[in-house]
Amino acid sequence: KAGVTQTPRYLIKTRGQQVTLSCSPISGHRSVSWYQQTPGQGLQFLFEYFSETQRNKGNFPGRFSGRQFSNSRSEMNVSTLELGDSALYLCASSPGARNGYTFGSGTRLTVV
Amino acid sequence: GESVGLHLPTLSVQEGDNSIINCAYSNSASDYFIWYKQESGKGPQFIIDIRSNMDKRQGQRVTVLLNKTVKHLSLQIAATQPGDSAVYFCAEILNTGFQKLVFGTGTRLLVSP
Repeated sequence: KAGVTQTPRYLIKTRGQQVTLSCSPISGHRSVSWYQQTPGQGLQFLFEYFSETQRNKGNFPGRFSGRQFSNSRSEMNVSTLELGDSALYLCASSPGARNGYTFGSGTRLTVV
Repeated sequence: GESVGLHLPTLSVQEGDNSIINCAYSNSASDYFIWYKQESGKGPQFIIDIRSNMDKRQGQRVTVLLNKTVKHLSLQIAATQPGDSAVYFCAEILNTGFQKLVFGTGTRLLVSP
């Protein structure tokens, strides 16, 4: 059974640009969550999608957005990148209903 | 508020010792807790979970204890091995009907041979 796949693994962007990250959940998992991990703030919840609907959102500015497709694949977008957006972005999928989450290896975003 | 805290940022142990990693949580509405292990360059990996109707759960070499009275979780690793070296996070799922993991800041476990 394939795990959670995140692409790309590494990304370097310039301040002011936008970026789109992709996540393919485990087959059959309908819940996809996104987290930002930085040394200073740890793992911070961004948002969670279930059946193409955003169910929950963390305390991030509107520059951070996401969506989920009918096949449960999810994308997150960050517009007008800032240096502070440099982080490891992690995606996790779950079957739902307070079951465990499986994480991908993440996308390492560096903003220069 | 939502916060899950860890008492020690770094724990150094000798190979073969037992390790105990502690975690405090603040939301009494949380009813499900998970311990994750994160190795360098990888995403968090599920180790063990426990629901609030239990106070202890055992896995292979790992045990999680839950004390709801003082809102405290611990992860015990028996016969710690160098391969156990990683950052360990506790996480709680808030009982809001929505799935949201709230993570602690992490404890780095260093195992010396």
